[in-house]
Amino acid sequence: EIVLTQSPGTLSLSPGERATLSCRASQSVTNDYLAWFQQRPGQAPRLLIYGATSRATGVPDRFSGRGTGTDFTLSISRLEPEDFAVYYCQQSSYSPLTFGGGTRVEIK
Amino acid sequence: QVQLQESGPGLVKPSETLSLTCTVSGGSMNSDYWNWIRQPPGKGLEWVGFIYYSGNTNYNPSLKSRVTISLDTSKNQFSLRLRSVTAADTAIYFCASGSGWLPDSWGQGTLVTVSS
Repeated sequence: EIVLTQSPGTLSLSPGERATLSCRASQSVTNDYLAWFQQRPGQAPRLLIYGATSRATGVPDRFSGRGTGTDFTLSISRLEPEDFAVYYCQQSSYSPLTFGGGTRVEIK
Repeated sequence: QVQLQESGPGLVKPSETLSLTCTVSGGSMNSDYWNWIRQPPGKGLEWVGFIYYSGNTNYNPSLKSRVTISLDTSKNQFSLRLRSVTAADTAIYFCASGSGWLPDSWGQGTLVTVSS
């Protein structure tokens, strides 16, 4: 099973600041089948990034994904009020599909 | 994009079977992977398993002995059965779909509590 470790657990930032979230895999995620989801309170997760770097339909361009192999990053260039949420990385290279433990982005 | 909606009992007794249904609208079930994913209150996400439109299934090994996912394309539904539940199975259960293994469309989720 691929274990995904996200850091930091919580990120305290102000609107307009840049957020950088990390996801490290216990083994290489082949074909970069690494995705990022956003989850707001009381809502289902929403796909933001797939294939490590591709934005899903309707996702603002302030969200960007980078990385390959075992190290991946989600960046939010300028935080908007609606971006304060929990973010999960997820791999679809191997079964079982796995998720990271999440990073909470909170208002400082 | 398809819309998905979970339904089923919100309360299940310990040792009994949890049964949920996901109704799909706005698209055909004759393709794609149909997933169940759960989230204990205040915690992270755990993939339960999926069924491919052909009927092939893939389950999380941690739950495999207790899980069955089935498909009824005539009703545009797929279902989850989880046997011998305990309090540890209390969670929000999401159904989700994707053209590949990535679950890119999700239902809103339904909370299932295991308690006597």
